[in-house]
Amino acid sequence: DSGVTQTPKHLITATGQRVTLRCSPRSGDLSVYWYQQSLDQGLQFLIQYYNGEERAKGNILERFSAQQFPDLHSELNLSSLELGDSALYFCASSAAVWQETQYFGPGTRLLVL
Amino acid sequence: EDQVTQSPEALRLQEGESSSLNCSYTVSGLRGLFWYRQDPGKGPEFLFTLYSAGEEKEKERLKATLTKKESFLHITAPKPEDSATYLCAALNTGNQFYFGTGTSLTVIP
Repeated sequence: DSGVTQTPKHLITATGQRVTLRCSPRSGDLSVYWYQQSLDQGLQFLIQYYNGEERAKGNILERFSAQQFPDLHSELNLSSLELGDSALYFCASSAAVWQETQYFGPGTRLLVL
Repeated sequence: EDQVTQSPEALRLQEGESSSLNCSYTVSGLRGLFWYRQDPGKGPEFLFTLYSAGEEKEKERLKATLTKKESFLHITAPKPEDSATYLCAALNTGNQFYFGTGTSLTVIP
């Protein structure tokens, strides 16, 4: 158990809908990272937050957005969902702003029908 | 374009048969090279971070090395419990993380 929690574990929704994925980092960690893992593209870095502020942006679509709240939990919002958004979404956390050792959560499996 | 390529895609070893996994990277200014282990349906588990060419790190049966163009994960006398997908990732000076697609390792008793 990494200490990072993600909810929900599974999510099934329809095209065009909007969903919110939630992540709680390990106690004391200030950085949160979001990743998408699909069968054909492997693990893709989406975005990083540190202590409430966006620090780095990867291959995140404009339809996706994220934020980190004062209690350090983070949410990833996915809107206007398409079939191709079906994937495993992982959250990770680390203590520092630089991407040192990251601890990954168990993931949220999203299926868009 | 920054990228990370891992080989082989899949590897089957007999228990005790040592081997190496390769991670070739092309990034604009390497800040760190990371190795992770991922079991089916679970999040990646951190193994090592390497920062500069010539650096080596060890943990039990695993040893990671780094050159200016690639990294190797050496597995010595593997056991069935070492079966997993091993991912490497490169972090560049633009704070962008690039993951390889992984090597799926199966160790047969």
